[in-house]
Amino acid sequence: DIQMTQSPSSLSASVGDRVTITCRASQRIGTYLNWYQQKPGKAPQLLIYAASTLQSGVPSRFSGSGSGTSFTLTISSLQPEDLATYYCQESFSAPLSSFGQGTKLEI
Amino acid sequence: QVQLVQSGAEVRKPGASVKVSCKAVGYTFTGFDINWVRQAPGQGLEWMGWINPINGHTGYAQRFQGRVTMTTTTSISTAYMELSSLETEDTAVYYCARRILGTGSFRNIWFDPWGQGTLVTVSS
Repeated sequence: DIQMTQSPSSLSASVGDRVTITCRASQRIGTYLNWYQQKPGKAPQLLIYAASTLQSGVPSRFSGSGSGTSFTLTISSLQPEDLATYYCQESFSAPLSSFGQGTKLEI
Repeated sequence: QVQLVQSGAEVRKPGASVKVSCKAVGYTFTGFDINWVRQAPGQGLEWMGWINPINGHTGYAQRFQGRVTMTTTTSISTAYMELSSLETEDTAVYYCARRILGTGSFRNIWFDPWGQGTLVTVSS
């Protein structure tokens, strides 16, 4: 099974900061990597798919990069509404899947 | 508007079963697989399995094999997830999600949208 490890597990940042979250896979997965945002008490929402493609409607301050085993989610200028937990998901194992443990972002 | 609407919260005793429903609205139900993901209180996301609404083919995470059953009723665009032999550790919010297949590879998939979640509480 592919293991997905996110870092950090939590972080605190200020409005306007540039924030980077890392996701590492236990084996090479190409660009089969997605990112989700889960706000408190809500269902997850798709942010980025295929490592770097922004889902329609997602603000352009979000971006994704990486391939192989190392991936990053970047928020270029943090906004108050970005308070959430962020999860990466590998789809290399499709139709199976697995998620990272999450990164809790505090503003 | 594409959305998945799930059934309401459930309370069960240990050893019982629970069946959660997920109704697809605003798109052709048979065009996309449905996946199920759960989230224990304060924990991360755990993928449980998937079902193809056209042919009923399923795939389950190993840890749920023998205890989970996923089905669909296409006439009412609804998917179901039944979990049996419940334990207190099964207390969680259960989500359904539509799987989107991108281009180029069967691995190019992502989940969108997600249902609102169904809280299942297992307690004696």
